[in-house]
Parts: sequence; C-alpha cells; structure tokens
Amino acid sequence: AIQMTQSPSSLSASVGDRVTITCRASQGIRNDLGWYQQRPGKAPKLLIYAASSLQSGVPSRFSGSGSGTDFTLTISSLQPEDFATYYCLQDHNYPLTFGGGTKVEI
Amino acid sequence: QVQLVESGGGMVQPGRSLRLSCAVSGFTLRSYAMHWVRQAPGKGLEWVASISYDEIDKDYADSVKGRFTISRDSSQNTMYLQMSSLKTEDTAIYYCARAVVEWIQCNWLDPWGQGTLVTVSS
Repeated sequence: AIQMTQSPSSLSASVGDRVTITCRASQGIRNDLGWYQQRPGKAPKLLIYAASSLQSGVPSRFSGSGSGTDFTLTISSLQPEDFATYYCLQDHNYPLTFGGGTKVEI
Repeated sequence: QVQLVESGGGMVQPGRSLRLSCAVSGFTLRSYAMHWVRQAPGKGLEWVASISYDEIDKDYADSVKGRFTISRDSSQNTMYLQMSSLKTEDTAIYYCARAVVEWIQCNWLDPWGQGTLVTVSS
C-alpha cells in the first residue's frame, strides 16, 4: 500500500497567517491526491482534488500544488473557521490511504 | 438537497456482526461510486471500502478484507456495510461518502454523512 506522510502533525498559527501543509507519497501518484478539512466533531469536507483543483464552494484562499510524490496545501490567509485538522488522501490506487493529519491550532 | 445519513452503529461484542446503513437522498445512488471511511476515537481517517457506480468493483482495506462487505440497494437508496468477526480495533465512527463525479470510478469524496459510532467491546 502507498504510504502518505503528512507534515507537520500540528502547527500553531494566527488569523491572517499563511499556512503550508505537505504530504509525501511513498511512490509516485501523478496528481491523484485530495485534501480534506475536518472541524472538531464534524465530518470531513473535500477542499482540493486532483492535487490542485478547488472543489466547488471552497474559498479561494485554499490552494494545492504538487505532482509525483510531493504535495502542498496552502491557506493564504488563515481565517477563524480554518482552525481544523487537514488530511491528504491518495487515490492513485487501492487501498486508498490518508495522511496522518495536520491539526491547525491558534 | 444531497444528504447521506448513516445508521446501525452501537455496541457489539468481539466476534459478532453488525450491519451499517447509509440512506441517501437528493441524488441517484446507482450513478455514483460510494465509500466507507472510519475514524477511531482521537485518531485519523482510514478508508474502509468502496463500491463502483455499476457495482462491478468493490475494494477493501487490508484490515477489513474478508470480514466486511459493501453493497447497495438502489431501489431503497441505501448503501450497506456488513461487518462480521468484529475486533476491538474496529471501534470507530463510520462515515459514508459519495464520489464527486457520477458515472465513473471517482475517489474524490464529497459529501459525507455525519457518521455512526461502532464500539466493539466485551
């Protein structure tokens, strides 16, 4: 199975900060990667698919980049509602595998 | 309005079985791939299983292969996860999720249900 290594596991930031989260795949996965946001006590929500495509309804401050083995999720200006845990998910092949998550805290 | 509602969770003893349901509305179940994802208490997300829109392909995580079965009844607008030989490590919130794009095997998951808690304990 493809291993997804996400970093950092947690970070502290302030409103207005630029935040970057990375995900590394154990083998090349082209651009077959999505990013998900999970607020406490809530179900996950898709932010980015195909590494860099913004899901409908997601604010433009979220962006994704990368291809092959290294991927990045960037929040250009952190808002109060963005404090959550973020996960990457590779869908290059089965079994689908998530990264370990990054908790964004104040 | 698209909606997914899981049910069937609860407490069960190790070795026993349980069937989860995911009732959907606002879209046609037969035209979308569907997935189950779980989250152990205080832990990260783990993909469990998926079923293709045409029901031809069913895939499972290694941790559940041979014990869990994914299925659906399009006439009832409901997807299922039959879980047998349950282990304590299967304790988790189980979410169902729909693929974003219809008529293909799509693994971009949105929207999700609110989840149902399964506790496996003696």
